[in-house]
Amino acid sequence: TQLLEQSPQFLSIQEGENLTVYCNSSSVFSSLQWYRQEPGEGPVLLVTVVTGGEVKKLKRLTFQFGDARKDSSLHITAAQPGDTGLYLCAGGSWGKLQFGAGTQVVVTP
Amino acid sequence: GAVVSQHPSWVICKSGTSVKIECRSLDFQATTMFWYRQFPKQSLMLMATSNEGSKATYEQGVEKDKFLINHASLTLSTLTVTSAHPEDSSFYICSAGRVNQPQHFGDGTRLSIL
Repeated sequence: TQLLEQSPQFLSIQEGENLTVYCNSSSVFSSLQWYRQEPGEGPVLLVTVVTGGEVKKLKRLTFQFGDARKDSSLHITAAQPGDTGLYLCAGGSWGKLQFGAGTQVVVTP
Repeated sequence: GAVVSQHPSWVICKSGTSVKIECRSLDFQATTMFWYRQFPKQSLMLMATSNEGSKATYEQGVEKDKFLINHASLTLSTLTVTSAHPEDSSFYICSAGRVNQPQHFGDGTRLSIL
């Protein structure tokens, strides 16, 4: 089993601040995905990173895949209350997704 | 984007009852559907993989006789929790997808067993 460790577990920041969430593993992944999940709902795919060293941007969100494809980060610039949610990274072969434990992000006005 | 619908979204029932949860892909035909369970403040854990017309593949530690999965068509899979007990209370989430395409998740079913 390939384990994904996310840090921090919980992050509370003020609106306008920046934050970074990390996803680390001792295993190499062919790709990693990032999801956001809100209470009582299923996770929503934000991005898939495939190439080592890849950087993808989605508005104020920047995703990076480590050169060795063992780690990834999610950086949010100028966070807004709407960014509040549980951020999950996931990796593994298709049909055998392993999820990290998640980072709960709370952005207060 | 693709839509996956789960029903019901919330169910409360007495211990010993069997509960059926439906997962439908509304605008595409899914070759495979997945069932996950999520306990409070924990991540999603894959329970089983369901392919249309064949038996589901269960992850280690998941009782196939307790969690019955039926995948009758390319757009519908059902999970039946048989003789549910309080320890089965959880958030059950399905996802649907086609090989090597991203999985699309339903909104989950909150199951509470009294």
